Amino acid sequence: DAGVTQSPTHLIKTRGQQVTLRCSPISGHKSVSWYQQVLGQGPQFIFQYYEKEERGRGNFPDRFSARQFPNYSSELNVNALLLGDSALYLCASSLVSLNTEAFFGQGTRLTVV
Amino acid sequence: AQTVTQSQPEMSVQEAETVTLSCTYDTSESDYYLFWYKQPPSRQMILVIRQEAYKQQNATENRFSVNFQKAAKSFSLKISDSQLGDAAMYFCAWSDSGTYKYIFGTGTRLKVLA
Repeated sequence: DAGVTQSPTHLIKTRGQQVTLRCSPISGHKSVSWYQQVLGQGPQFIFQYYEKEERGRGNFPDRFSARQFPNYSSELNVNALLLGDSALYLCASSLVSLNTEAFFGQGTRLTVV
Repeated sequence: AQTVTQSQPEMSVQEAETVTLSCTYDTSESDYYLFWYKQPPSRQMILVIRQEAYKQQNATENRFSVNFQKAAKSFSLKISDSQLGDAAMYFCAWSDSGTYKYIFGTGTRLKVLA
């Protein structure tokens, strides 16, 4: 079975631009979470979606948004990019809740210049 | 608010030796879960071990074991017979019982010396 897949793996954007990151969960997993990992720090929670509904949102500005599709894949959108948005963005999927086990993708490395 | 603290930015261990990584957390919840995740250079976070707070018995997974001290809010990871492939960033994480998110520590970089 394929694991969690994220695309693209790397991208470079200019300040002020918009970006969309994509995540495909493990087959059968209905929960998708997004994390931002700035260099040298632990991942910070951004969003969780379960059954296509937002279950939780971290302390991130409204420039960050996400959605989950009927096939449980997910997109994370970031508008008006700032230099500080440069980070590794991780997607995690789980069957129901994180307490079972969350499986992470390899992340998307976003660089804002 | 819950916090997770890893006070060791970096640790080194000789191959085949044992190393312990420290983690403390702060929470007012009584029912929660604790995790250790490994992040190698490939960037993918991999679950190492998981502990339910209501269980007094410490979790073990092959060469990996934890020392869970609930009253002290301490959750350390012991790696026995260290291997070169154990070299990675290790993150301690907390989640509550109805959770939708993890709270991660800042990580400990483990180096394994041949």
